[in-house]
Amino acid sequence: NAGVTQTPKFQVLKTGQSMTLQCAQDMNHNSMYWYRQDPGMGLRLIYYSASEGTTDKGEVPNGYNVSRLNKREFSLRLESAAPSQTSVYFCASSRRRTGDSNQPQHFGDGTRLSIL
Amino acid sequence: AQKITQTQPGMFVQEKEAVTLDCTYDTSDQSYGLFWYKQPSSGEMIFLIYQGSYDEQNATEGRYSLNFQKARKSANLVISASQLGDSAMYFCAMREVKAAGNKLTFGGGTRVLVKP
Repeated sequence: NAGVTQTPKFQVLKTGQSMTLQCAQDMNHNSMYWYRQDPGMGLRLIYYSASEGTTDKGEVPNGYNVSRLNKREFSLRLESAAPSQTSVYFCASSRRRTGDSNQPQHFGDGTRLSIL
Repeated sequence: AQKITQTQPGMFVQEKEAVTLDCTYDTSDQSYGLFWYKQPSSGEMIFLIYQGSYDEQNATEGRYSLNFQKARKSANLVISASQLGDSAMYFCAMREVKAAGNKLTFGGGTRVLVKP
């Protein structure tokens, strides 16, 4: 009963290092998302993929890139990490929305990323 | 302007009592959906309840209910008979018809602490 799986769970980087966060879902969902959550705040959308083969910017895309590798996997890459990117990163997935759908997003457990 | 506003940063509630968490939203869409998520101290995001803008009845899920006042653009979460396990952060989120890819916009959250 895996749902959305994120790896790694924790990571410490030095400024300027690069890293890819991995996300995979086994619910056959079309849409996938990457969020960041800063201390005491809500989630902010970084990038999303409405369906396999498409990706789009969210609210805070600067400093990140994404790849929708296939229907199951959606990765987030930090090319040159900065201390301002210290955060908890969540991956989520959902069914493709049709009409006024009540389909929620399902979240992974998050990746705690610290950049020194 | 904030699309989702949660004005209560933190609340105490006595065990077995009810608590209401406020959420107001801003949208020009006629069709939209409102979600509540729970985030316990372990960090995962748990979907609680959904209200569609055209739903005539307030949504209920077990001890969770949504007080939806469309004209006031509010969607307050009511937790009845609070339990110690209800201590967590609670986030209100909105999906708009215009938002491609089933995107959600989150509020800043309310922290609830249930006292024994």
